[in-house]
Amino acid sequence: NAGVTQTPKFQVLKTGQSMTLQCAQDMNHNSMYWYRQDPGMGLRLIYYSASEGTTDKGEVPNGYNVSRLNKREFSLRLESAAPSQTSVYFCASSEQSGDGYTFGSGTRLTVV
Amino acid sequence: AQSVAQPEDQVNVAEGNPLTVKCTYSVSGNPYLFWYVQYPNRGLQFLLKYITGDNLVKGSYGFEAEFNKSQTSFHLKKPSALVSDSALYFCAVDNYGQNFVFGPGTRLSVLP
Repeated sequence: NAGVTQTPKFQVLKTGQSMTLQCAQDMNHNSMYWYRQDPGMGLRLIYYSASEGTTDKGEVPNGYNVSRLNKREFSLRLESAAPSQTSVYFCASSEQSGDGYTFGSGTRLTVV
Repeated sequence: AQSVAQPEDQVNVAEGNPLTVKCTYSVSGNPYLFWYVQYPNRGLQFLLKYITGDNLVKGSYGFEAEFNKSQTSFHLKKPSALVSDSALYFCAVDNYGQNFVFGPGTRLSVLP
C-alpha cells in the first residue's frame, strides 16, 4: 500500500545511546517532515525537507540531526539520547503547499 | 508566527448528538487550515481542509468544518456523533507553505 513507512515502531534506549529513525515514502512527494508528539503539546516540528537535498530546522531541532538521503527517504538521528527525547515520533510527507500531509504510523521512543 | 489554539482539552458528547471541536488560529495572510484525526496507537489521518472558496468544508466520515475569517476560527462539526468518532483531533495551519503548525489536540469522547 502506498504511504509513509517508519521503522522501528518501538525502541528503548539508554541515556547517551544513539539511534536513527528511518522514514520512507513511495508517493513521489517533494517535502518530508519529522514531528514529535508529547501529551498536551500537540505535534512539534523537529526538521523538515522541502525538497531532495535541502533540510531546515523546525521548532525543536536541538539534539537531532536529519538526512534527506534521496527523494524517498528522510532519516532522523539522535546522537546522544536524553530522557527528554522520550516521545512518539512521526514522519510525514506532502507534495506541495496546500496539500495535506500523509503520516507514518509513528515510532514510540523511550529513553531511560 | 502562525499559531493554532484548541481551547478544549476534552469534549464529551452523547452518541447521536451533534458535536463541535473548536479551533482558532493566528496567521498573517490567507490561511490554509486542516483537521486531522488520530486513533489510538496510529498516525494522523487527514479529515478535511480549507484553502479558499466556500466557508463550509465537507470532509471524511461525515465531518465538516466552518471557516470564519472574522472570528479566526475553523471549528470541526458533525451532525450526529458515533462512538467510533472517539479519538484525538488536531487542527493545523499551513506555515507559509513550508510546514504545518498543529494545535495541542482535543480528545473527543462519544458516549453510548
